[in-house]
Amino acid sequence: DQQVKQNSPSLSVQEGRISILNCDYTNSMFDYFLWYKKYPAEGPTFLISISSIKDKNEDGRFTVFLNKSAKHLSLHIVPSQPGDSAVYFCAASVDAGNMLTFGGGTRLMVKP
Amino acid sequence: DGGITQSPKYLFRKEGQNVTLSCEQNLNHDAMYWYRQDPGQGLRLIYYSQIVNDFQKGDIAEGYSVSREKKESFPLTVTSAQKNPTAFYLCASSRRMEDEKLFFGSGTQLSVL
Repeated sequence: DQQVKQNSPSLSVQEGRISILNCDYTNSMFDYFLWYKKYPAEGPTFLISISSIKDKNEDGRFTVFLNKSAKHLSLHIVPSQPGDSAVYFCAASVDAGNMLTFGGGTRLMVKP
Repeated sequence: DGGITQSPKYLFRKEGQNVTLSCEQNLNHDAMYWYRQDPGQGLRLIYYSQIVNDFQKGDIAEGYSVSREKKESFPLTVTSAQKNPTAFYLCASSRRMEDEKLFFGSGTQLSVL
């Protein structure tokens, strides 16, 4: 049973528009969430994180929102750029030092 | 430049054969991990190591073995007991187990002949 789910396997967005990638989780004990970005034939790279004491974290064009009551987080990319085209994984953990549980990934395609 | 190096990039395994995937890091990280990625699925943890000469099973350890004789090296052996080994394998490291920010290698694609 997948504890972290990314229900949209792919997303296509026009350059300059907003990209919204969604992630749902079932384990209410998760209290730390991360997004990773992966280009083809490369390993994922850390993008942004949020702890459960916050509901928003922003880093440049990237913002992560956390809705604990809905067990839902989302990653907003504004404005989207062609270089953002990649697979995005959300991940969650219970307490610092515990293993990350990854979602299945969403492939984002930003069209020029 | 510091980083994680995985080799080879592509590997083919014959039936009944054991193969070993290499992972080396020069980041001076204590913790190292092996993940498996299948199409449409998230990364699943195979094994992890918090420190030299110590390692623990992850969620899908059956059919795999590891060693951690040196801080910088964490090789993964895919044994003949692993009946479905075709996947993309990712090695990662972090400064400590408490650090969730993982640094990943570029991966090894293993296929069965």
